[in-house]
Amino acid sequence: AQRVTQPEKLLSVFKGAPVELKCNYSYSGSPELFWYVQYSRQRLQLLLRHISRESIKGFTADLNKGETSFHLKKPFAQEEDSAMYYCALKVGWGKLQFGAGTQVVVTP
Amino acid sequence: DTGVSQDPRHKITKRGQNVTFRCDPISEHNRLYWYRQTLGQGPEFLTYFQNEAQLEKSRLLSDRFSAERPKGSFSTLEIQRTEQGDSAMYLCASSAPTGAWTEKLFFGSGTQLSVL
Repeated sequence: AQRVTQPEKLLSVFKGAPVELKCNYSYSGSPELFWYVQYSRQRLQLLLRHISRESIKGFTADLNKGETSFHLKKPFAQEEDSAMYYCALKVGWGKLQFGAGTQVVVTP
Repeated sequence: DTGVSQDPRHKITKRGQNVTFRCDPISEHNRLYWYRQTLGQGPEFLTYFQNEAQLEKSRLLSDRFSAERPKGSFSTLEIQRTEQGDSAMYLCASSAPTGAWTEKLFFGSGTQLSVL
């Protein structure tokens, strides 16, 4: 069965500290994974996707097929990183399986 | 704002009533999706259109739900005989495929449905 698990509902970090959001997946095919973010009073938007191997707003995520993980990391958290983050697995054309999300709060 | 727009933003209805939501995708996007999100959960896929063709429907979409995209532009999602369990945020998204594995979904702000 396909599943996306985000074990942390809330992650509270201090500004300047590293932040890591965990995401584990279960999928029988070749996975394509994404991180979506929703800032306060804004729309859900794509942050990054594993296939691009890009760094967006200082965030990176590496697909680890052995551990079936796609954790999101940033070395130095900023207050503007406070948001809801969703890990998502592509399970069909435009069909994403989302995790339950992790709320990140960055305190000064 | 040239993004995905949804109307209405909020809808309060009584159980048993019918409701209809509208989504206007980004104009050059030929793919349109409906998702549903309940409190504390991530969005769940409901259905997907490519142009006017509805290509996939989730098992979550019971017979009371129907979605259309008559001219391949805007889409409507209708819920008949609403139930309290239908209360959720209904999200629309659109995309323009740039390749087999590079689809990027653009989401609307959603329609928040409350069934009393």
